[in-house]
Amino acid sequence: NAGVTQTPKFRVLKTGQSMTLLCAQDMNHEYMYWYRQDPGMGLRLIHYSVGEGTTAKGEVPDGYNVSRLKKQNFLLGLESAAPSQTSVYFCASKTYRVAGVWNTQYFGPGTRLTVL
Amino acid sequence: KQEVTQIPAALSVPEGENLVLNCSFTDSAIYNLQWFRQDPGKGLTSLLLIQSSQREQTSGRLNASLDKSSGRSTLYIAASQPGDSATYLCAVIIQDQGGKLIFGQGTELSVKP
Repeated sequence: NAGVTQTPKFRVLKTGQSMTLLCAQDMNHEYMYWYRQDPGMGLRLIHYSVGEGTTAKGEVPDGYNVSRLKKQNFLLGLESAAPSQTSVYFCASKTYRVAGVWNTQYFGPGTRLTVL
Repeated sequence: KQEVTQIPAALSVPEGENLVLNCSFTDSAIYNLQWFRQDPGKGLTSLLLIQSSQREQTSGRLNASLDKSSGRSTLYIAASQPGDSATYLCAVIIQDQGGKLIFGQGTELSVKP
């Protein structure tokens, strides 16, 4: 049981390049999230998914796209990278509410992205 | 708009000291409040989750309290150890956007031997 894994761990891009970050979870969780963490800003939600085939925008979605074709995977894409997207990206997952109670989110180890 | 603030931003204490980390939030309409630990270059590890109907949760040397009416939570660490050195993040869980977490900026704790 690997939990939540992220690929790659590090990446350097040039402005205008594109890339896809992969998040995978083996806990059969319905909900998946992408956050970015920036100094002085904390973690902010980019996009999220409440189930296979669904995606929705979070607080800071501009410049990113996502897809959830399989329940266990959540992909984050940058079509044309900008220096403002230099950040650490975290993926998280959790299961449905049980008896009305939100459960904890489980986080991956992060991807450190630098855009030059 | 919900905002979460953590004070202090950084804290350095000698080993063995009891300490309190503070978290405040602006909107009491939260589901839960959660404390995480983040080690440098690592992901987040959940420490304690307090449901909105609860007042506190305990795990080992950690105790977290929640006062929704005043918009405050505290994380109490007893008998601190160098291994407790990390950044501690407070987050509230709200209804919308899939039960997303809204994070504070964290308190960076250093426990000196």
